[in-house]
Amino acid sequence: GQQLNQSPQSMFIQEGEDVSMNCTSSSIFNTWLWYKQDPGEGPVLLIALYKAGELTSNGRLTAQFGITRKDSFLNISASIPSDVGIYFCAGQRVGGSQGNLIFGKGTKLSVKP
Amino acid sequence: SAVISQKPSRDICQRGTSLTIQCQVDSQVTMMFWYRQQPGQSLTLIATANQGSEATYESGFVIDKFPISRPNLTFSTLTVSNMSPEDSSIYLCSAQGGSGANVLTFGAGSRLTVL
Repeated sequence: GQQLNQSPQSMFIQEGEDVSMNCTSSSIFNTWLWYKQDPGEGPVLLIALYKAGELTSNGRLTAQFGITRKDSFLNISASIPSDVGIYFCAGQRVGGSQGNLIFGKGTKLSVKP
Repeated sequence: SAVISQKPSRDICQRGTSLTIQCQVDSQVTMMFWYRQQPGQSLTLIATANQGSEATYESGFVIDKFPISRPNLTFSTLTVSNMSPEDSSIYLCSAQGGSGANVLTFGAGSRLTVL
């Protein structure tokens, strides 16, 4: 079935560092979404992207919809402790049914000891 | 965007039993969805809950195992039937958000552990 390749799988951050993660797909997507999930909670939407090349920011977060429509990245600048959590990319495949989002496997952000 | 409440938030269940999860949205929404998140894994769509008609199931999920009700535009239930340990997962209710048709808002999830 359709899969998204999300990397890295996990990373350790030190306060103040910039963080980058990305997702790639073998299919063309018409929507890319980035969610964050904290323990015991459902995913919360961070950024939504709707067209190729779109670059959108939400505070310290910046995400881009790749020109090929097969990839997206999320950057977090000047990380803070509350950035810890699991980040998921998700996409709506061209021709896919509404609400049928394909999710990446997540990037787990932890604080560097 | 919509606020979604689920209950129970967690439960421990015995093998062979069934459990119904309830999902309440604070506004009327056309489409509601049920996702499963297995331990340490990503989210997978189980089915779309349609108001006034049968749910639409994704490949690998069947109505006998996961019966769904959608009596109105703000409420849905998912039943996990005849549970086995492999059904231990977080079950998440979602609805389309206000910012775009493909943007989903999620409930906090129902964490089921089957012994």
